[in-house]
Amino acid sequence: EVHFLESGGGLVQSGGSLRLSCAASGFTFSSYAMSWVRQAPGKGLQWVSSISSGGGGTYYEDSVKGRFTISRDNSKNTLYLQVNSLRADDTAVYYCAKLRRGYEAFDYWGQGTLVTVSS
Amino acid sequence: DIQMTQSPSSLSASVGDRVTITCQASQDISNYLNWYQQKPGKAPKLLIYAASNLVAGVPSRFSGSRSETDFTFTISSLQPADLATYYCQHYDNLSFSFGGGTKVEIK
Repeated sequence: EVHFLESGGGLVQSGGSLRLSCAASGFTFSSYAMSWVRQAPGKGLQWVSSISSGGGGTYYEDSVKGRFTISRDNSKNTLYLQVNSLRADDTAVYYCAKLRRGYEAFDYWGQGTLVTVSS
Repeated sequence: DIQMTQSPSSLSASVGDRVTITCQASQDISNYLNWYQQKPGKAPKLLIYAASNLVAGVPSRFSGSRSETDFTFTISSLQPADLATYYCQHYDNLSFSFGGGTKVEIK
């Protein structure tokens, strides 16, 4: 069974940093692209970033480029998101999600970790 | 950039009703359109991928279809368990975007 355990969220001041982690199990992690998707309180879903299976390709939504860095450690089956220069509008639940190959759909999701940025 | 317009933003229907949600793309996106269900306080769940393919284990009352740039998500007979917000999502040119969501309530 596919399972994700996310961690690293919390309360941080504006301008601060956090490192989000997503530990995966139940599938061959190194064979699949992974993504982060966020949801601000009471709002819809927003794609944040994706990384290829080997880690060589990384992609970002425009508002986080230069501030967020996605990475992965396939030896530890873990996905990361380093979030820097945080702003109030980054406040959200951050979900890690596995990409279904060929269809660009997020077929499995973690339970989410809440990042709250205070001004 | 391709724009996706999801409608309606909310709807209220009775148990047993047929419910339809649409996403319209501003240009051709082929079949790169997926549908998700998000129940309150939970992570989203993929229901339909590539416009019309039902994920294994998802009830057959859920379906998706495509007509050129218009995509339709249908619940054939609404059940109390279907109380949720539904999102379309598309992929284009190394980025992903979601529709604004449709909140489905039970009358």
